[in-house]
Amino acid sequence: AQTVTQSQPEMSVQEAETVTLSCTYDTSENNYYLFWYKQPPSRQMILVIRQEAYKQQNATENRFSVNFQKAAKSFSLKISDSQLGDTAMYFCAFMKLGYAGGTSYGKLTFGQGTILTVHP
Amino acid sequence: DAGVTQSPTHLIKTRGQHVTLRCSPISGHKSVSWYQQVLGQGPQFIFQYYEKEERGRGNFPDRFSARQFPNYSSELNVNALLLGDSALYLCASSLVQLAGAPYEQYFGPGTRLTVT
Repeated sequence: AQTVTQSQPEMSVQEAETVTLSCTYDTSENNYYLFWYKQPPSRQMILVIRQEAYKQQNATENRFSVNFQKAAKSFSLKISDSQLGDTAMYFCAFMKLGYAGGTSYGKLTFGQGTILTVHP
Repeated sequence: DAGVTQSPTHLIKTRGQHVTLRCSPISGHKSVSWYQQVLGQGPQFIFQYYEKEERGRGNFPDRFSARQFPNYSSELNVNALLLGDSALYLCASSLVQLAGAPYEQYFGPGTRLTVT
């Protein structure tokens, strides 16, 4: 079974600064996908960024980037130029693809989450 | 386009009762997944459905069941409710890939279930 660990229950950062959220995972799989999700106080879970394990290049999405270290099974999220709207719970998640009936499917395994607060 | 919708928003039940939660996926999405999120923790996978068939099941007791309808909406049923079933239940929908990389799962706002 896969496990995802986020060792930082809470983090805080000043507006416009950079913050890095940590995530480690444990799996025996070689082909998998990693995600960071954001869950603001309104509860709607939103995908921030994704990384395919077979890709060596780190994913970036505007102010969000990841540091993917496959051998170390580490997947950290860097938020640059933090904004007040970034305040949320952030979840790291792992997905291994399965196949059934000619289609692929995948379940997400989430970490415990990190509460990020951006201060003005 | 409307996102994933879930009903009801909040629900209070008594131990031993039964509950049905409903989810409507984004138009065109044929796969629906259910997750349980206990307060302060990350979501845990319960079920995934595609074309009315169960494609995956998490480590939950048989009291939990689900189904998907021809219009791809879904219901999650929980029987003999326990206090520990109190949680936010999230539904996520996605397109279906015949092979290769998964499509993004889009989450609904969730149903907050309180068992007293």
